[in-house]
Amino acid sequence: KAGVTQTPRYLIKTRGQQVTLSCSPISGHRSVSWYQQTPGQGLQFLFEYFSETQRNKGNFPGRFSGRQFSNSRSEMNVSTLELGDSALYLCASSLGRSAGGFNEQFFGPGTRLTVL
Amino acid sequence: DAKTTQPPSMDCAEGRAANLPCNHSTISGNEYVYWYRQIHSQGPQYIIHGLKNNETNEMASLIITEDRKSSTLILPHATLRDTAVYYCIGLSMNRDDKIIFGKGTRLHILP
Repeated sequence: KAGVTQTPRYLIKTRGQQVTLSCSPISGHRSVSWYQQTPGQGLQFLFEYFSETQRNKGNFPGRFSGRQFSNSRSEMNVSTLELGDSALYLCASSLGRSAGGFNEQFFGPGTRLTVL
Repeated sequence: DAKTTQPPSMDCAEGRAANLPCNHSTISGNEYVYWYRQIHSQGPQYIIHGLKNNETNEMASLIITEDRKSSTLILPHATLRDTAVYYCIGLSMNRDDKIIFGKGTRLHILP
């Protein structure tokens, strides 16, 4: 079974630009979560999508947004990039909420974004 | 989710057992203890989880104290490839898919 894939793996942008990152979950997984990882703040939850609906959101400004398509693939967008947005952006997929119980999340390799 | 406390770093000799402790004194009755690890420049990888009983899989063993206030992840025969940051996380049974990661323990395997 193929794992979670993220594209692109590396990206360089300049301040003020916007960026779109893509995540393809494991086949059959309906939940996609996004995380930001920086040396200073560690791994931080951005948001989670399930069946094309955002059902969880972390404490990030509105410049960070996402969406999920009917095939469960997800994109996240960051507008008006700032230097502090330089980070590793990780996507994780899982089966999604069942009748109680946490579903194991499988992480992709991440997209490393550098903002100059 | 329960707040967890882990040592920032640990060393272990290659071939020896690596014992990684985690304190989770505020864990509630319906919260599982999960362990993930992150090897440099890769996404986190699930290792093991447990509720009350000790658990073992092909990667590791998880020992949870009877009062559930702490646990230990055991890598029985550490190799250089086990060098990573290990995260201990408390997750509710009724929790949706959102993981709050702490700082974790950076495990160095020494040759």
